Amino acid sequence: KAGVTQTPRYLIKTRGQQVTLSCSPISGHRSVSWYQQTPGQGLQFLFEYFSETQRNKGNFPGRFSGRQFSNSRSEMNVSTLELGDSALYLCASRLNRGYNEQFFGPGTRLTVL
Amino acid sequence: QQQVKQSPQSLIVQKGGISIINCAYENTAFDYFPWYQQFPGKGPALLIAIRPDVSEKKEGRFTISFNKSAKQFSLHIMDSQPGDSATYFCAASMVDSSYKLIFGSGTRLLVRP
Repeated sequence: KAGVTQTPRYLIKTRGQQVTLSCSPISGHRSVSWYQQTPGQGLQFLFEYFSETQRNKGNFPGRFSGRQFSNSRSEMNVSTLELGDSALYLCASRLNRGYNEQFFGPGTRLTVL
Repeated sequence: QQQVKQSPQSLIVQKGGISIINCAYENTAFDYFPWYQQFPGKGPALLIAIRPDVSEKKEGRFTISFNKSAKQFSLHIMDSQPGDSATYFCAASMVDSSYKLIFGSGTRLLVRP
């Protein structure tokens, strides 16, 4: 069974631009969560989507948004990029909301110049 | 109360030795405690997980010990191998509908040959 896939793997943007990252969960998994990983703040929860609805959101500004499609694939968008948004963005999927086991993708490395 | 505190920050162990990483939490509502292993350039991979009704769980060379009264849990890696050299994260999630993972700050393990 294929794992969680994320595209693109690497991105370089400049301040003020916006970016869209994509995540395809493990086949059959319906819940997708996004995390930001930085050396300073570690791994932080961004938001979770289930059945195309955002179920939970972390403490990030409104510039961070996401959506989920009917096939469970998810995208996250960051608008008006700031230097501090440089990070590894990780997507994790799990079977259903009743299952805790989350499986992570390889991440998208975003660099903001 | 949402924090998970992890120690040590880094750990050097000789091949064949025991690696021990500790985590502590405050929120008694946490009901799921996974450990993740992350290699450079990869996303975190689920290693082993435990629930509060169990004091110990073993999978191969990896053991989680859980002390509910002390609100602490630890990962023991027996017969540590150079291939175990990675960053290890403990995490916790809650019984409510969020299921988001709260991560520790990570431990960088180096196993010397």
